[in-house]
Amino acid sequence: EVQLVESGGGLVKPGGSLRLSCAASGFTFGDYSMTWVRQAPGKGLEWVSAISSGSSFIFYADSVKGRFTISRDNAKNSLYLQMNSLRAEDTAVYYCARRYYSDSRRDAFDIWGQGTMVTVSS
Amino acid sequence: DIQMTQSPSSLSASVGDRVTITCRASQGFSNYLAWYKQKPGKVPKLLIYGASTLQSGVPSRFSGSGSGTYFTLTISSLQPEDVATYYCQKYDSAPFTFGPGTKVNIK
Repeated sequence: EVQLVESGGGLVKPGGSLRLSCAASGFTFGDYSMTWVRQAPGKGLEWVSAISSGSSFIFYADSVKGRFTISRDNAKNSLYLQMNSLRAEDTAVYYCARRYYSDSRRDAFDIWGQGTMVTVSS
Repeated sequence: DIQMTQSPSSLSASVGDRVTITCRASQGFSNYLAWYKQKPGKVPKLLIYGASTLQSGVPSRFSGSGSGTYFTLTISSLQPEDVATYYCQKYDSAPFTFGPGTKVNIK
């Protein structure tokens, strides 16, 4: 079964750090680009960051640039999001999602994890 | 960056009604436009990609169309299980911006 499982969420104080993980199974992880999407309580979806299959290309939303770092370990079938200098407005459910990308094909985000909650509060 | 808007922000319709949601982009782009469905408390699910291609397993009452800056999602006959928030998204290149969502309810 194709599956993504996030972990690492929790309660952190403003200015603190947190590292999210996303474990992939059921597909060839190294063939896929991966992304993080978040959803603040009662709000819509916000794309956060993306990383290409081989980590050559990395993108961030302006709202997290300079504070968040996306990375992956294809040998461990895992995606990460290091979040530093956290703010109250970073409070959200964080989803990882996969996306196939090649020179001839660009897919949408077809598989999503169940999400992990990050709460930034003093 | 391209901004995505959706209308209406919410709607109520009767079972069996035809429902159309509009998604507009601030600039035209290729048809890398997706629609997602999110039921309350659940994970978003891909419905349509490439503006008009149904994801595997999605009921045929869902359809998508459009190009450039104007896209639509249509539910031909609204069912109780379609109660959800629907999001459009551009996925041609980063930033992969989502629309603000349209909440669909049953009247």
